[in-house]
Amino acid sequence: DAKTTQPPSMDCAEGRAANLPCNHSTISGNEYVYWYRQIHSQGPQYIIHGLKNNETNEMASLIITEDRKSSTLILPHATLRDTAVYYCIVRVRAGNTPLVFGKGTRLSVIA
Amino acid sequence: NAGVTQTPKFRILKIGQSMTLQCTQDMNHNYMYWYRQDPGMGLKLIYYSVGAGITDKGEVPNGYNVSRSTTEDFPLRLELAAPSQTSVYFCASSPTSGPPYEQYFGPGTRLTVT
Repeated sequence: DAKTTQPPSMDCAEGRAANLPCNHSTISGNEYVYWYRQIHSQGPQYIIHGLKNNETNEMASLIITEDRKSSTLILPHATLRDTAVYYCIVRVRAGNTPLVFGKGTRLSVIA
Repeated sequence: NAGVTQTPKFRILKIGQSMTLQCTQDMNHNYMYWYRQDPGMGLKLIYYSVGAGITDKGEVPNGYNVSRSTTEDFPLRLELAAPSQTSVYFCASSPTSGPPYEQYFGPGTRLTVT
């Protein structure tokens, strides 16, 4: 079973920041937080990952709380193309282990 | 690079028939995976491979078989198809080096068993 909890759905106005929360209260010290998204039944796409520090790349930012029990994925200026299901995944040691997907959060970006 | 390709895109099978879902990657990745996704659900791991000649079961392997004779190809075999195997099947690959050990997914095969 997935080791994360996410809200089933969220809405965001186009151009605004989308903040997607994830709870992973049982995370272990050697486990990373990964985010993937799935647009319109396509294959999932990697977004970002982190261990304990905040991370940023060209797609998004990842904020992990100090106790590492939760995190937030931030899409700074959401567009209609960001409408997708977002999956928060806990993964051991950032190694090549298979991904365990929950149901994710369906983000709808509204014009 | 074409990335991860899957064929066919769609298929309808009758109960009891068999078929092979094809997956090929051109990124020289050692790791390859098969997932299935039922409506409204996340992906579940069927089988995975860490290199040619090596495969291992995932969460839902029953009713499926795999082989890995080359680095590029990782076919998934369905024997005696059942309605419970109606799903979308995704193949993925990832490089040996990392992090992030990013998995690259194919476009999927939508299978209906009636």
